Amino acid sequence: EAGVAQSPRYKIIEKRQSVAFWCNPISGHATLYWYQQILGQGPKLLIQFQNNGVVDDSQLPKDRFSAERLKGVDSTLKIQPAKLEDSAVYLCASRRDRGYGYTFGSGTRLTVV
Amino acid sequence: TQLLEQSPQFLSIQEGENLTVYCNSSSVFSSLQWYRQEPGEGPVLLVTVVTGGEVKKLKRLTFQFGDARKDSSLHITAAQPGDTGLYLCAGARNAGNMLTFGGGTRLMVKP
Repeated sequence: EAGVAQSPRYKIIEKRQSVAFWCNPISGHATLYWYQQILGQGPKLLIQFQNNGVVDDSQLPKDRFSAERLKGVDSTLKIQPAKLEDSAVYLCASRRDRGYGYTFGSGTRLTVV
Repeated sequence: TQLLEQSPQFLSIQEGENLTVYCNSSSVFSSLQWYRQEPGEGPVLLVTVVTGGEVKKLKRLTFQFGDARKDSSLHITAAQPGDTGLYLCAGARNAGNMLTFGGGTRLMVKP
């Protein structure tokens, strides 16, 4: 089966600019996650979707980050405005159902200068 | 403070050596997973353990879930350069819960 697709792979922006990331999960996977992975650290959950509804966004900095999953398939994550500390790899993962492991995309590496 | 503490953070060994990576927590998890991540890629699932005391083997890798389901270990026998990467443990409080990741152990195996 095709994996989790993410784009772009790399993005460099100046602070205070806006940026958006896109994720296409594996077909049929109802649960979708966005994680932030700062260099040298483990991934940190930003938001979890079940179909097109938000399950958990308690760790999403809502003053600047937003995410949506229209029609329960693709998802976008937006940062507006970006700060230097947002420099990280943004990973999207999907899961078919409870009890299954996550499948991660290759991530988008964001550099804020 | 990380919910899951991994040790060591860094490990550099020679090809053929054995090693053990630890993942510890004060919390109980319904399941725990181990992932390996290579540079420029997302984490790839290696194994899921769900029963206290469970041991799973994947070729030269042996995974163990603690009896109390609060800790886990990954043992690699006769490490090879291809084992180089970032090893991440991740726990779920219940079946529907999201995963919480540890900080990772960066392993380098020198030929």
